[in-house]
Amino acid sequence: ETGVTQTPRHLVMGMTNKKSLKCEQHLGHNAMYWYKQSAKKPLELMFVYSLEERVENNSVPSRFSPECPNSSHLFLHLHTLQPEDSALYLCASSQGSVGDSYGYTFGSGTRLTVV
Amino acid sequence: SQQGEEDPQALSIQEGENATMNCSYKTSINNLQWYRQNSGRGLVHLILIRSNEREKHSGRLRVTLDTSKKSSSLLITASRAADTASYFCATDHRGGADGLTFGKGTHLIIQP
Repeated sequence: ETGVTQTPRHLVMGMTNKKSLKCEQHLGHNAMYWYKQSAKKPLELMFVYSLEERVENNSVPSRFSPECPNSSHLFLHLHTLQPEDSALYLCASSQGSVGDSYGYTFGSGTRLTVV
Repeated sequence: SQQGEEDPQALSIQEGENATMNCSYKTSINNLQWYRQNSGRGLVHLILIRSNEREKHSGRLRVTLDTSKKSSSLLITASRAADTASYFCATDHRGGADGLTFGKGTHLIIQP
């Protein structure tokens, strides 16, 4: 375990379903991230939260909705997804704040398949 | 695009040999980081090198950074079968919690 826990590990959902991915860290980090990893493509940054405030939304479709209720938890709510949204979704955390730079701690990811 | 690009895309060597992977990027950075990913798992942070540093070591890892050429290299010495994984460079362009930009990675295979 890395200190960042993602659930579920695997998820199969239909295009009309609504589901949520969960990420939890107890490392005392103040920034959390969602990344999407598709085959043969670089990791794509989806959302950044710093001190529970959303910092960046990289033009992600509205069918993905993040939520950060506190500094230890991050959710990604999914609805009416498309088959091309099938990917490995990775959560990460860091001690980052403006002007500082630290390595990220990643969870093991949620393998999402949209059918 | 700001993202780093690793070279080569795939590398296969014999156990005990050294493995070298390269990363190039296009815009100025605050720091550059290297990560390892075993198949289908999360990424593991290996090493961070800041823009004012030229070389860093961590165990069998050696990272160099040449900001004039916008490039970095990761050297793994005395490779082991357990080093088989994908290796990614990630660039931090603005510092802080703004998100790292990753390359596509180098898939390293260590033949026993």
